[in-house]
Amino acid sequence: QKEVEQDPGPLSVPEGAIVSLNCTYSNSAFQYFMWYRQYSRKGPELLMYTYSSGNKEDGRFTAQVDKSSKYISLFIRDSQPSDSATYLCAIPSGGSNYKLTFGKGTLLTVNP
Amino acid sequence: NAGVMQNPRHLVRRRGQEARLRCSPMKGHSHVYWYRQLPEEGLKFMVYLQKENIIDESGMPKERFSAEFPKEGPSILRIQQVVRGDSAAYFCASSPQRTGEDGYTFGSGTRLTVV
Repeated sequence: QKEVEQDPGPLSVPEGAIVSLNCTYSNSAFQYFMWYRQYSRKGPELLMYTYSSGNKEDGRFTAQVDKSSKYISLFIRDSQPSDSATYLCAIPSGGSNYKLTFGKGTLLTVNP
Repeated sequence: NAGVMQNPRHLVRRRGQEARLRCSPMKGHSHVYWYRQLPEEGLKFMVYLQKENIIDESGMPKERFSAEFPKEGPSILRIQQVVRGDSAAYFCASSPQRTGEDGYTFGSGTRLTVV
């Protein structure tokens, strides 16, 4: 079983829609979780991180962890065309806090 | 702050040649990480270096790949005798200390194509 699995998408939504992006993880020992955004031909940039204890909100973005089902989600409210990118979940794994295991990413397109 | 600088942005090599990828971390960052993104695959950890030291190379292929981060100058990822399967995007990231939940800053990557 892979450490992190992510819905592959692609996902296409109209502007203003609420977007839900999801990952599942295998190891209940994981303590915190990250979401990165990657624009085409660019490197990933950290959007937000959250601990296994609950939710975190930052503007239009909310990261949520369901520890019982080992499920993490990123919600985007009032989605904008500028949100069009690939979203990657990432988990520090292998017993370290620097070695990130990434999901394969979900390509999101927000249509104006 | 120029961010993490990687060069070249694109690199084409024939099978059997050597590829050298460079990474200059952000100013004040002494920790460097290399990741590889194969087509249709997620980012995979390769190696973690501090100045003059390899801390963790558990993700590096056993042969043909090496990395260094000298006291002066950029970090170098070196691939000898490249094969078609090495074609990928290689990303470097840096952090001011061993990173935790604040993650690290990635460069824009070097896209290697082996022909």
